Amino acid sequence: AQTVTQSQPEMSVQEAETVTLSCTYDTSESDYYLFWYKQPPSRQMILVIRQEAYKQQNATENRFSVNFQKAAKSFSLKISDSQLGDAAMYFCAYRSLQSTDKLIFGTGTRLQVFP
Amino acid sequence: GAGVSQTPSNKVTEKGKYVELRCDPISGHTALYWYRQSLGQGPEFLIYFQGTGAADDSGLPNDRFFAVRPEGSVSTLKIQRTERGDSAVYLCASSLRFVGQGNTDTQYFGPGTRLTVL
Repeated sequence: AQTVTQSQPEMSVQEAETVTLSCTYDTSESDYYLFWYKQPPSRQMILVIRQEAYKQQNATENRFSVNFQKAAKSFSLKISDSQLGDAAMYFCAYRSLQSTDKLIFGTGTRLQVFP
Repeated sequence: GAGVSQTPSNKVTEKGKYVELRCDPISGHTALYWYRQSLGQGPEFLIYFQGTGAADDSGLPNDRFFAVRPEGSVSTLKIQRTERGDSAVYLCASSLRFVGQGNTDTQYFGPGTRLTVL
């Protein structure tokens, strides 16, 4: 069974600075999707960025980028120019392409942004 | 277009009671998912519908939990004989589920229903 591990329960960053959130996963599959979701206090999970495992190029979405290391099974999220609105819980998630579409989530990292 | 909506936003019930949680997916989305998020944890998969049928219900914890999607749109998660351990946020998500067409299989989440069992 696949597992997702987020080893940083909390992180903090100064506004305008850069922060990296870590995620590792375990799988025997060669093709899959990885995601980062943001969950603000409103509870609604918002997709931040996704990565297809077959793509070697790291995904980027504006200030958000990932460092995908397939051999190491690592998928970190870098947030550049942090803003107060980035403060939230961040969840890493895995989705297999060989079974149903369920997402397997990590336990999350709470990001605080200080002015 | 509207996003995924869930009602009620909060539900407080007593141990042993029956509850229903409703999910309205994004219009046109064929796939619908239920997840449960306990305090301090990430969401855990419960059940996945493709159209009207449950394609994967492997995450339902026991036979007190049941979900339906009779017309392939709105879904109801039903919990019988609630227990204090059922207290959690129940999240619903939907997707177009056309694999291979770019981002059309991204899951979009609703705001969840916070269930508290006293």
